[in-house]
Amino acid sequence: AQSVTQLGSHVSVSEGALVLLRCNYSSSVPPYLFWYVQYPNQGLQLLLKYTTGATLVKGINGFEAEFKKSETSFHLTKPSAHMSDAAEYFCAVYSGGSNYKLTFGKGTLLTVNP
Amino acid sequence: KAGVTQTPRYLIKTRGQQVTLSCSPISGHRSVSWYQQTPGQGLQFLFEYFSETQRNKGNFPGRFSGRQFSNSRSEMNVSTLELGDSALYLCASSLGWGTSGANVLTFGAGSRLTVL
Repeated sequence: AQSVTQLGSHVSVSEGALVLLRCNYSSSVPPYLFWYVQYPNQGLQLLLKYTTGATLVKGINGFEAEFKKSETSFHLTKPSAHMSDAAEYFCAVYSGGSNYKLTFGKGTLLTVNP
Repeated sequence: KAGVTQTPRYLIKTRGQQVTLSCSPISGHRSVSWYQQTPGQGLQFLFEYFSETQRNKGNFPGRFSGRQFSNSRSEMNVSTLELGDSALYLCASSLGWGTSGANVLTFGAGSRLTVL
């Protein structure tokens, strides 16, 4: 079985500050991990993904995430927040095999204050 | 390259009615997945189709059904609507799962269903 826990349903940062959104996963096999972003009244947009290989993954809009197997974590970071980063962020896991689905965390709403 | 198109974007129904939502995937994508998004439950998997075959179904009652056509377009249907069916229904398409590594889902903007 696969599951995702996102710590903090709401994170608030100041513009220019570090963004850190936490994600822990549970998977019985090596997982594939994803971060998606959702802006109001829109669908989900892929920010980045981890499959195999390099554990530090760079995505769009200056975001990156590091896969840490020992901690079963895949936290999302951005060095300097911008007002346009305000959105909801979802971590997701796919454990392969024949379940053909992503399992999502509950999401973290990021607020950026001027 | 056109993205995933979902229609209608917004709709209002009353309890007991039924609704059909449509999804046109990205050209060349053969897998279509559906998710229900609500504030309380978050994103929940409904079903996945590949080449007109449903390969997986989430934990939803039989009132929720879907199908995929030979051109990969997909529809989902909800019969005997209940208030709790109010949600954003998201469709996502992809090339397929597993064979070439991790799958990447591209999502549509969603169909927002309100049940009164």
